[in-house]
Amino acid sequence: AQKVTQAQTEISVVEKEDVTLDCVYETRDTTYYLFWYKQPPSGELVFLIRRNSFDEQNEISGRYSWNFQKSTSSFNFTITASQVVDSAVYFCALSEGAQKLVFGQGTRLTINP
Amino acid sequence: GAVVSQHPSRVICKSGTSVKIECRSLDFQATTMFWYRQFPKQSLMLMATSNEGSKATYEQGVEKDKFLINHASLTLSTLTVTSAHPEDSSFYICSASPARRRLREQYFGPGTRLTVT
Repeated sequence: AQKVTQAQTEISVVEKEDVTLDCVYETRDTTYYLFWYKQPPSGELVFLIRRNSFDEQNEISGRYSWNFQKSTSSFNFTITASQVVDSAVYFCALSEGAQKLVFGQGTRLTINP
Repeated sequence: GAVVSQHPSRVICKSGTSVKIECRSLDFQATTMFWYRQFPKQSLMLMATSNEGSKATYEQGVEKDKFLINHASLTLSTLTVTSAHPEDSSFYICSASPARRRLREQYFGPGTRLTVT
């Protein structure tokens, strides 16, 4: 069965600090997709990234970067030079063949000015 | 592109009544739509998968007679919470997958906050 674990329930940092959100997943499939979503207080999910299991290249998008390591079943998310607007709940998710998304428990990130 | 809307955004209903939530894909056709439920400070849990023209597939533990799902067209799926109780109060989110599936794209609606009094 597939499972996503985000061990960090809450993280609080001061603005401009770098912060890494951890995500560890379990799956028996060789083909799967990993996602990160941001959920601000409004509740709407904001798509950040999708990765397939065959693409282990790290990705950088502005201040955001993702590190995918199949050897450790991890897909970690780093925000550099954090800003107050980054405060939100961040979810890591996994999908296999049925396209159903299994979400991690979420990490509540608070960036203090 | 790829916008999904939900209506209503918020609803308050009395215990014992039913409430319908609509999920629409505005600029694409969706063969598959998903319904999730999120309790306060918790994660999203998949309730059911809705395929256009067929019966929804419910996740284990979700009462299909209580949460009626209809996916009558390629742009609309509805979730009806029947005989609602306070424990059904939650944030309900739908997502839609384009008819031409590509890279596991799934677009989320803004959510509906249901409060049962």
